[in-house]
Amino acid sequence: GAVVSQHPSWVICKSGTSVKIECRSLDFQATTMFWYRQFPKQSLMLMATSNEGSKATYEQGVEKDKFLINHASLTLSTLTVTSAHPEDSSFYICSAHGQGSPGNTIYFGEGSWLTVV
Amino acid sequence: DAKTTQPPSMDCAEGRAANLPCNHSTISGNEYVYWYRQIHSQGPQYIIHGLKNNETNEMASLIITEDRKSSTLILPHATLRDTAVYYCIVRVYPISGGYQKVTFGTGTKLQVIP
Repeated sequence: GAVVSQHPSWVICKSGTSVKIECRSLDFQATTMFWYRQFPKQSLMLMATSNEGSKATYEQGVEKDKFLINHASLTLSTLTVTSAHPEDSSFYICSAHGQGSPGNTIYFGEGSWLTVV
Repeated sequence: DAKTTQPPSMDCAEGRAANLPCNHSTISGNEYVYWYRQIHSQGPQYIIHGLKNNETNEMASLIITEDRKSSTLILPHATLRDTAVYYCIVRVYPISGGYQKVTFGTGTKLQVIP
């Protein structure tokens, strides 16, 4: 069964609006979560690393004010795409790691398709 | 970060073993080799990982060379459902501590042929 769950699986939003994607770890406490984006036929690109209770660390070139990450609890991290534009349309994936994660490894969510129209 | 290199694509006949190579010549002594796969439009699925010993689970086997500079993922009896992009990654430690971030290369697109 799923170890990390993402919601929604897909979302369509209008340009200029904000959209929130949730990432939940099931059955273990995720002290660290990672957010990726993936464009068609490309590999996953790491956007940011978030540790529970602290500010996220963003990769170079990723706008922290546009991609707001909140990791307020050990089982939930959220990514909010603010003032979305069509170029933000992508596949967003989260992953989680923490004590108690099966095999002490990193697990990924099912991904969320964002389409901005 | 230790970088990995993989062939961009491979074909395998259904029922045969699929052997996917990965080079990680700059891997550090405390870095693990992980394999994930991504079926179209889904999140990556964990397959297997290892440090220096060969590993086997219900999905696959992982063979790591003695010098740890390369590894091979083996799917013993490939099925059509194994068609996916396979990623070989190594885990790195961020300077500030905490869990290592994971970065992906381009992976190998495995096509299992009937």
